[in-house]
Amino acid sequence: DADVTQTPRNRITKTGKRIMLECSQTKGHDRMYWYRQDPGLGLRLIYYSFDVKDINKGEISDGYSVSRQAQAKFSLSLESAIPNQTALYFCATSEGNQPQHFGDGTRLSIL
Amino acid sequence: GNSVTQMEGPVTLSEEAFLTINCTYTATGYPSLFWYVQYPGEGLQLLLKATKADDKGSNKGFEATYRKETTSFHLEKGSVQVSDSAVYFCALTLPYGGSQGNLIFGKGTKLSVKP
Repeated sequence: DADVTQTPRNRITKTGKRIMLECSQTKGHDRMYWYRQDPGLGLRLIYYSFDVKDINKGEISDGYSVSRQAQAKFSLSLESAIPNQTALYFCATSEGNQPQHFGDGTRLSIL
Repeated sequence: GNSVTQMEGPVTLSEEAFLTINCTYTATGYPSLFWYVQYPGEGLQLLLKATKADDKGSNKGFEATYRKETTSFHLEKGSVQVSDSAVYFCALTLPYGGSQGNLIFGKGTKLSVKP
């Protein structure tokens, strides 16, 4: 079983729809992160959480929200999806400042 | 601000060729440096890291040395294989501040190795 699991792996939806991407981990790490990857732009940080009660905005948080339901679960929501949010989304975890571990990604297409 | 610049791809090599992917950084203080690799259809995996000046990270035949004087962390491999085809990301973290431990990525370099 994967240590960092993202669901769904692929999603196609329409403009204006509410979308939730989920991430769960079995590593027991305290920190969790959401990134988006766009061609030619690398990965950019959307939100991060250092523990269940600590949520922080990243570089590109506009249009997104998150919820840390438990230490092992961190979900990303798009309240009203727009086409320029089409991207590959990654969840990652880490224990303190140790290297991050990534899920396999969710490919999201917004029509 | 803090940033990572890596050479643009794509890079196409023949099997057994020598690989260098350049990476330079801008950061205040003393960052930790990383190379991550992304194989097709997968997430990022840590390839190697270095946490202080002159440290050499190595893994799977890849090496990178933390050069503070040139603010660089170039990735090298002496003989690439087809299975090394992937996207490589250089990244840093800062050891201080409210966002300590957060990764700052370069834009990635796609490597294709031909048989």
